Amino acid sequence: GDSVTQMEGPVTLSEEAFLTINCTYTATGYPSLFWYVQYPGEGLQLLLKATKADDKGSNKGFEATYRKETTSFHLEKGSVQVSDSAVYFCALSPNQAGTALIFGKGTTLSVSS
Amino acid sequence: KAGVTQTPRYLIKTRGQQVTLSCSPISGHRSVSWYQQTPGQGLQFLFEYFSETQRNKGNFPGRFSGRQFSNSRSEMNVSTLELGDSALYLCASSIISGGAGGTEAFFGQGTRLTVV
Repeated sequence: GDSVTQMEGPVTLSEEAFLTINCTYTATGYPSLFWYVQYPGEGLQLLLKATKADDKGSNKGFEATYRKETTSFHLEKGSVQVSDSAVYFCALSPNQAGTALIFGKGTTLSVSS
Repeated sequence: KAGVTQTPRYLIKTRGQQVTLSCSPISGHRSVSWYQQTPGQGLQFLFEYFSETQRNKGNFPGRFSGRQFSNSRSEMNVSTLELGDSALYLCASSIISGGAGGTEAFFGQGTRLTVV
């Protein structure tokens, strides 16, 4: 079945460092891909998305490109801030009615000043 | 525009009891999905309702059930609680289900259930 694998955390960085969180997926068909972020004590918020191959999603300085050839959707940010500390989830949608979002296990990011 | 509202935010229950959690989706959203989040298993899909019909169900025992009302509000029920049911239960609403076509799922803050 469809699945998402993302790098294990925690990831600990200093402010202004470069961030990469790896995400790969397995899916039949043509899924949509998402990154969600969860701040402490909160639900998940959509960070960015891409719906077809070579699409680049971007938001708040974060970017991810849908790579069908490598089945990847890695999250990157050029300069992280303390306020980026959160748990990041990669997810896919099989794009079929009645199907659920499939999430990776989540990666905890901790940024120190 | 009001977000997804889950009540209560926190619950403490005893093993063997049952519990009902509530979710009010964003106005106009007909799809409501429920997820269980635990440190060990991450986010696991429970079930999804669309226009009062359950359209998909995850791999959970029959103790977990849900329903959706005509106003799209949804409830989930867990009977005969076990210690392992302690988790954050998240509800997500969307216009159509499952993120199809890149549609966004909006999550509530969750209900933290502790079973003692």
